[in-house]
Amino acid sequence: ETGVTQSPTHLIKTRGQQVTLRCSSQSGHNTVSWYQQALGQGPQFIFQYYREEENGRGNFPPRFSGLQFPNYSSELNVNALELDDSALYLCASSLPGTGLTDTQYFGPGTRLTVL
Amino acid sequence: AQSVTQLDSQVPVFEEAPVELRCNYSSSVSVYLFWYVQYPNQGLQLLLKYLSGSTLVKGINGFEAEFNKSQTSFHLRKPSVHISDTAEYFCAVSDYGGSQGNLIFGKGTKLSVKP
Repeated sequence: ETGVTQSPTHLIKTRGQQVTLRCSSQSGHNTVSWYQQALGQGPQFIFQYYREEENGRGNFPPRFSGLQFPNYSSELNVNALELDDSALYLCASSLPGTGLTDTQYFGPGTRLTVL
Repeated sequence: AQSVTQLDSQVPVFEEAPVELRCNYSSSVSVYLFWYVQYPNQGLQLLLKYLSGSTLVKGINGFEAEFNKSQTSFHLRKPSVHISDTAEYFCAVSDYGGSQGNLIFGKGTKLSVKP
């Protein structure tokens, strides 16, 4: 059983650019959540996808968007990058089941730097 | 709104000594509680979770935590730490009625185990 993988590992962009981060969920997991972890902070919930539909969103603007594909891989897209978007972006997949009690399995993250 | 406060940003301790990492939460509804560990350059790994039932929860790597509803606390303990426990530890909460997967994290506690 493979774990959650994310690509790329590191990424450098400039203000105003757009970025796409990718996540491959653990086999059989149909739910994926994305988090932003700024330096020195805990992760903050961006949104969750369940069976290719957005299933909850945190306090992030619409320029943060996502997609989930039939093979359960997913993308996080950020438009009009700002300096404060510099952070570690984590995705987490969970087993199908009872929702809130599902264990979330985290990937290693993508470190995004916006200059 | 829910929130999580980790009372210590850094905890230095000698090898084989006991350790307690403190976590308090604020919520107007019943909650699920979690502790995650993050090793350098890695994603988050679940240590343990409290859903219901016994207030003493045992997790991996010899860690345990006690849910105290009256004090709204969920402190993490280990009777004897190892060098390999050096990492950052995050407490998180999720409410019964909230968005699935919407974990609210504390800012983390860096545990440093010295020989």
